[in-house]
Amino acid sequence: DTAVSQTPKYLVTQMGNDKSIKCEQNLGHDTMYWYKQDSKKFLKIMFSYNNKELIINETVPNRFSPKSPDKAHLNLHINSLELGDSAVYFCASSQARVSAGTQYFGPGTRLTVL
Amino acid sequence: AQKITQTQPGMFVQEKEAVTLDCTYDTSDQSYGLFWYKQPSSGEMIFLIYQGSYDEQNATEGRYSLNFQKARKSANLVISASQLGDSAMYFCAMRDFMDSNYQLIWGAGTKLIIKP
Repeated sequence: DTAVSQTPKYLVTQMGNDKSIKCEQNLGHDTMYWYKQDSKKFLKIMFSYNNKELIINETVPNRFSPKSPDKAHLNLHINSLELGDSAVYFCASSQARVSAGTQYFGPGTRLTVL
Repeated sequence: AQKITQTQPGMFVQEKEAVTLDCTYDTSDQSYGLFWYKQPSSGEMIFLIYQGSYDEQNATEGRYSLNFQKARKSANLVISASQLGDSAMYFCAMRDFMDSNYQLIWGAGTKLIIKP
């Protein structure tokens, strides 16, 4: 009964391809996030959705497009992949008034662009 | 602007010793929360402990405690009786409760290595 799950765990692809990462949470949370963790382990927020509404949209290339079909799912689509997109992408979820909004993370997706 | 600083990029500690990982934060707000996460080499991000700015007592969770010094704006993580499995990256993060976007501000992390 995984709380926050992501697929795939590993993604290896060529430059220029389009790929998607899926995220699902079964915690009943109302807010979901996408983070990028670079090779130096720095965590950068990319997007956040609250009740399917985009609330955080940091400065990321518009090749990255999130989509939240419902509160339990937040997918990330990346067009025209570039070498610099190689990183670990984490999905997370939280509930605003529960546990001070503690964010719970998925296992991460390691994206390698060749 | 809000900021989290973790001044120790890496630490080596002997097994069974206590460890203190430093975290200082900068905010002008009065209502906020501080979080610590662990990231072992397997890669997952694990929530460890939380401290609210209005909590009078330091948070504790098993071997983890948070040494919260509000006036100094520090929220150090203390791990008692360290174990080999504590070797990991540790991240400090802060949330401003006036921020309706629920965003966390993250530190750069500290890599902790426990020596046998």
